[in-house]
Amino acid sequence: EPEVTQTPSHQVTQMGQEVILRCVPISNHLYFYWYRQILGQKVEFLVSFYNNEISEKSEIFDDQFSVERPDGSNFTLKIRSTKLEDSAMYFCASSIVTGLRELFFGEGSRLTVL
Amino acid sequence: AQSVTQLDSQVPVFEEAPVELRCNYSSSVSVYLFWYVQYPNQGLQLLLKYLSGSTLVESINGFEAEFNKSQTSFHLRKPSVHISDTAEYFCAVSRSGSEKLVFGKGTKLTVNP
Repeated sequence: EPEVTQTPSHQVTQMGQEVILRCVPISNHLYFYWYRQILGQKVEFLVSFYNNEISEKSEIFDDQFSVERPDGSNFTLKIRSTKLEDSAMYFCASSIVTGLRELFFGEGSRLTVL
Repeated sequence: AQSVTQLDSQVPVFEEAPVELRCNYSSSVSVYLFWYVQYPNQGLQLLLKYLSGSTLVESINGFEAEFNKSQTSFHLRKPSVHISDTAEYFCAVSRSGSEKLVFGKGTKLTVNP
C-alpha cells in the first residue's frame, strides 16, 4: 500500500541552526501539507501546497519557514533559524484531491532544538 | 474560527465493552468533520468523515460517528472494542474553501483484557 514517508525520524539540532525535514508524498497525489504537534498539545496546521505554490498557511508559518517541492517527488519543510519552541513532531500529509476528503499522513519527524 | 474540544484525554475500557469518545466543535459556518486514529509509532490515519448527507457515518472496523448539528458534536462510538483498538483518536474539523484541518487534543483509548 502506498504511503507517505518522512525523514529523518528524529533530528536534534542547536538553536539557530537550519533544519530541513523531508517528505515523499504518495506518487499520484497533488496536494501536500505540513502539520506539527508540540508535545502535549494539539496537531496544528502549518501550510498547504498545490501546483508548486502555497495555497494556505497558518500564522505559525512565518518567514522562518519555507516549503519546496524541488524534484517532483520530495516535499521539504525548511526552518531557517530554529528556536527552542520549534521542538515538535512534524507531520507531512498528501492528498489526491483537494485535501479534505482524505489526507494520508506520514509517521512524523521529531525535531528537538537544544 | 473553528475549534475542537475532546473532553477526555484518556479513556480506559475493557475488551468487548462499548466506548464513546466525545468531540464537540465550534464554527460559525458549515463544517466537515473527521476522526483520525494514530496507532503507536505510526502516522495519523483517517477513520471516518462527515462531509454531507447522512449524519451517521461508519468505518470499516466497526466505529461510527454521528454528526449532531444542534449539539455541535461528532462523538465516536463502538459497541464492542478490541485490544487492537488501543490508539490515540483525534477529532478534526474544517470548513468549505479551506485546506486547513483543526484538530482536537486527542483521546488515548486503552483497551485492557
